[in-house]
Amino acid sequence: EVQLVESGGGLGVPGRSLTLSCATSGFTFSDHRMSWFRQAPGKGLEWVGFIESGRYGGTKQYAGAVTGRFTLSRDDSKGIAYLHLSGLKTEDTAMYYCTRSYGQTTHFPSWGRGTLVTVSS
Amino acid sequence: QPLLTQPSSVSGAPGQTVTISCTGDWSNLGAGYDVHWYQQLPGEAPKLLIFGNIHRPSGVPARFSASKSGTSASLVITGLQPEDEADYYCQSYGSSWTGVNLGGGTKLTVL
Repeated sequence: EVQLVESGGGLGVPGRSLTLSCATSGFTFSDHRMSWFRQAPGKGLEWVGFIESGRYGGTKQYAGAVTGRFTLSRDDSKGIAYLHLSGLKTEDTAMYYCTRSYGQTTHFPSWGRGTLVTVSS
Repeated sequence: QPLLTQPSSVSGAPGQTVTISCTGDWSNLGAGYDVHWYQQLPGEAPKLLIFGNIHRPSGVPARFSASKSGTSASLVITGLQPEDEADYYCQSYGSSWTGVNLGGGTKLTVL
């Protein structure tokens, strides 16, 4: 069974940093692109970014709203994807979801339950 | 700002048919990228409903169907059921500078 479990959310202070993790099982992690989405309370889904599998060079792409502040990484040996949030802003308050997609396919068949980040002073 | 345009809400009575539209442009749907649809029930993570414009993952009822033509796509739900009340999102890809493109979501209310 495919599982993606996000963790690391909580209360963040404006200007500070937070790192989210996505622990996976049930599929060959190294063959998959790992993506993150977020959803602010009562709002729609927003794509945050993705990191390609090693087969495709581990390339990273970010949404404009987070470029320069968020950093994606992955540990293929552990099957874990990471999202490092820096320079936190109150508008980063959201549920953060981890997803996978095989190779360079563009749809996301599996989602985690999310981890909530609240940015407040 | 969502790069794909969806109606904010639609509604229908049980047993009826509803259609949710998704409009893009030359950089996403018009460039030939596939459209995918997700259902998000209240308090839950999104779930893949349709992929590759028309394909249903196993377990998704046949009353969910979709199509794509040019810069537009549609999700059709026939025989509406109360459990279909949810938010629906369309998603595509928009080249190397916009990445994943999403619609703003459509709230389906089953009357």
